[in-house]
Amino acid sequence: NAGVTQTPKFQVLKTGQSMTLQCAQDMNHEYMSWYRQDPGMGLRLIHYSVGAGITDQGEVPNGYNVSRSTTEDFPLRLLSAAPSQTSVYFCASRPGGRGYGYTFGSGTRLTVV
Amino acid sequence: GQQVMQIPQYQHVQEGEDFTTYCNSSTTLSNIQWYKQRPGGHPVFLIQLVKSGEVKKQKRLTFQFGEAKKNSSLHITATQTTDVGTYFCAGRYETSGSRLTFGEGTQLTVNP
Repeated sequence: NAGVTQTPKFQVLKTGQSMTLQCAQDMNHEYMSWYRQDPGMGLRLIHYSVGAGITDQGEVPNGYNVSRSTTEDFPLRLLSAAPSQTSVYFCASRPGGRGYGYTFGSGTRLTVV
Repeated sequence: GQQVMQIPQYQHVQEGEDFTTYCNSSTTLSNIQWYKQRPGGHPVFLIQLVKSGEVKKQKRLTFQFGEAKKNSSLHITATQTTDVGTYFCAGRYETSGSRLTFGEGTQLTVNP
């Protein structure tokens, strides 16, 4: 099992550019989430999904879009990158039901200049 | 809004000393999870607490959930250099569905 795979690991964007962060899991997990991590601010939820075809907003959704066309994939799209979106992005997944923790990917470090 | 406050933000200990981090919420939590993130790494799930007053142990780690389900703690006995990292609590509220709210984390350094 590869677990949760995120690509790319590093990315530099210019302000205004768009891009998609990829996330794939091979554990047949129902729930998937995107978090951003900034120094001293913990992990903040951007968007999440409880199953294929179902997505919802988290705490900080502005400037990001997601889709969940399959159970395995949950890409995060930056519409028009801004310096405030410089961060480390983590994708995570877990099985449905109670009692399960999230399995995190290794993260994407994004810099917007 | 629903927030999980975690203290302290930083903790430096000598190897062999104990360490505790605390999480507090102003409203009742359904459950709380704990994660560890090594420097440069990603968060790794440690445990989930659900019941009021629950205590769980994993070797030198002891996790507690308060009676009112508004606070939780992680205690490490006799720290080792392998304990270095940031420890996060993450709470779930009844009104937030499956969403987790993470605390800011406690960064632990251990001097050998």
